[in-house]
Amino acid sequence: DAKTTQPNSMESNEEEPVHLPCNHSTISGTDYIHWYRQLPSQGPEYVIHGLTSNVNNRMASLAIAEDRKSSTLILHRATLRDAAVYYCILRDVTGGTSYGKLTFGQGTILTVHP
Amino acid sequence: NAGVTQTPKFRVLKTGQSMTLLCAQDMNHEYMYWYRQDPGMGLRLIHYSVGEGTTAKGEVPDGYNVSRLKKQNFLLGLESAAPSQTSVYFCATDDPGQGNRQPQHFGDGTRLSIL
Repeated sequence: DAKTTQPNSMESNEEEPVHLPCNHSTISGTDYIHWYRQLPSQGPEYVIHGLTSNVNNRMASLAIAEDRKSSTLILHRATLRDAAVYYCILRDVTGGTSYGKLTFGQGTILTVHP
Repeated sequence: NAGVTQTPKFRVLKTGQSMTLLCAQDMNHEYMYWYRQDPGMGLRLIHYSVGEGTTAKGEVPDGYNVSRLKKQNFLLGLESAAPSQTSVYFCATDDPGQGNRQPQHFGDGTRLSIL
């Protein structure tokens, strides 16, 4: 599986934008970029995913570099509820025995200050 | 619509005891997964199933067994619990219908301590 690199931790103030970076220099053409987050004492929660173009949904935006070797998850106005561990994961679409597996790294711990 | 439900939520076992963790989903998803998460780490895949009656090993399968007798249920068994199996266990599901772009849905976890 192609690997991702994220900062161990980041901090933000409430109601400010947050940009969470992810490097994936060995990404292949068939890898989708997925983001999940894990709030304290809960299971991971899907946030957003994309392939080549920038994506927006009600939770966040995903900005993907033109060469696809990096991406940024953008929370437009952080709230206290956004404090979580954020995981950037590459997911291959070509199937096989690892078809559905998500490979989690250590993620980025986001702290949001009131 | 409960999504993914894990039982029990907490359990304390003694070394050598056995137990079964249950994952139930009401989303009619084909694929189901069991992960474990140790403190300060990401999730690691134990076993998974791509359909009723099928199971396969993940990254860390040793010491665990699984069964998928019904589409909606995926059971994780510990035959002889060891302290190294103290962890938080998460079940997840997804559907391959539209390829790997589908998100996985997770339960809230089972916190298991083995003394």
